[in-house]
Amino acid sequence: SQTIHQWPATLVQPVGSPLSLECTVEGTSNPNLYWYRQAAGRGLQLLFYSVGIGQISSEVPQNLSASRPQDRQFILSSKKLLLSDSGFYLCAWSLVSSGRGAYEQYFGPGTRLTVT
Amino acid sequence: AQKITQTQPGMFVQEKEAVTLDCTYDTSDPSYGLFWYKQPSSGEMIFLIYQGSYDQQNATEGRYSLNFQKARKSANLVISASQLGDSAMYFCAYFNAGNNRKLIWGLGTSLAVNP
Repeated sequence: SQTIHQWPATLVQPVGSPLSLECTVEGTSNPNLYWYRQAAGRGLQLLFYSVGIGQISSEVPQNLSASRPQDRQFILSSKKLLLSDSGFYLCAWSLVSSGRGAYEQYFGPGTRLTVT
Repeated sequence: AQKITQTQPGMFVQEKEAVTLDCTYDTSDPSYGLFWYKQPSSGEMIFLIYQGSYDQQNATEGRYSLNFQKARKSANLVISASQLGDSAMYFCAYFNAGNNRKLIWGLGTSLAVNP
């Protein structure tokens, strides 16, 4: 069965420090991968998605970047964190194709980032 | 552009009763799908149920069912026999295969189940 891992679970970082959040998926090949951010009490904001190694699409211009160095690895980075980067970061994967046409996304446990 | 609306920021239900969470959408796409996710206080997003626009029957998954009214563009989630563990945020999301498989999310409904 497929599983998705994210780490760290929580992170407290000062403004201006770098960031690296990692997400890995097991049990599937060539998944679509997604990074979301959720502010407290709000819905999900799609940050990046990837349909393959080295293929990253950005949804929101900001000081964050994403990379996909391996098929099942997705990394969210920043060179200098801002206070507004605080939030709950979720990684998700979905199948590239599905027999019944559904493309449900499966989420990792999330990383709670606090920028101080 | 597609839009998802969840008009109930918060809902209360008594344990063992049924509850309906509303979701409406706006689209001109002929083919699309609608998802419901549950987010407990731990934060993880849990997939609950999916409805395709061409599905002939309303989707059901255990105690979850989707009241899909295509003409009204609504896809309400019905939870039967509520349990204390159902207390969580619930999100509705819209999907179109031509949209790079991205989901468009509603703002969510907070459900509290009272004992």
